Amino acid sequence: GQQLNQSPQSMFIQEGEDVSMNCTSSSIFNTWLWYKQDPGEGPVLLIALYKAGELTSNGRLTAQFGITRKDSFLNISASIPSDVGIYFCAANNAGNMLTFGGGTRLMVKP
Amino acid sequence: EAGVVQSPRYKIIEKKQPVAFWCNPISGHNTLYWYLQNLGQGPELLIRYENEEAVDDSQLPKDRFSAERLKGVDSTLKIQPAELGDSAVYLCASSLGQGSGELFFGEGSRLTVL
Repeated sequence: GQQLNQSPQSMFIQEGEDVSMNCTSSSIFNTWLWYKQDPGEGPVLLIALYKAGELTSNGRLTAQFGITRKDSFLNISASIPSDVGIYFCAANNAGNMLTFGGGTRLMVKP
Repeated sequence: EAGVVQSPRYKIIEKKQPVAFWCNPISGHNTLYWYLQNLGQGPELLIRYENEEAVDDSQLPKDRFSAERLKGVDSTLKIQPAELGDSAVYLCASSLGQGSGELFFGEGSRLTVL
């Protein structure tokens, strides 16, 4: 099946630092999305991208839909303790099947 | 507005026992999804409903798993009999339409099979 390779698997950063994570695939997708999951909760949508090359911001978060339609990245600027969690990329293909990456676990040291 | 509601939050059973999970999606959301999430991994789709019709169940292990959404609103996922490897979080999600990928997830039902 289609796979999304997400990296890094985990990050341990200092509060105030910027964070960058990405997601790649060998397949082409129509939509890229980024979700965040807190412990004991379901994933929550952060950003959705619908067009190749699109760059979208949501507060301190910025994400881009790769021009090849095979990748996406998420940046978090000036991290704060509440940014801790697991970030998942997800992508939708023409068959409307949403696939998730393996997640990036973010830990922030105050 | 109420979110996606799932129950139970936690369930501990012995292997070979049956178990059922219930999900009530956000009002007006026609598309409902059941995902399986193993520890340390991303969610994996089990089944997707458009109203009461299962339109994608290719990943559902049909020998022991079943699901229904009889009136196109709430849904039940059943496992019978449960195996040790079924221990995981079962996530329900809903969306307005099937194309956007913008899913709203419930808190999940954590299953432990002993």
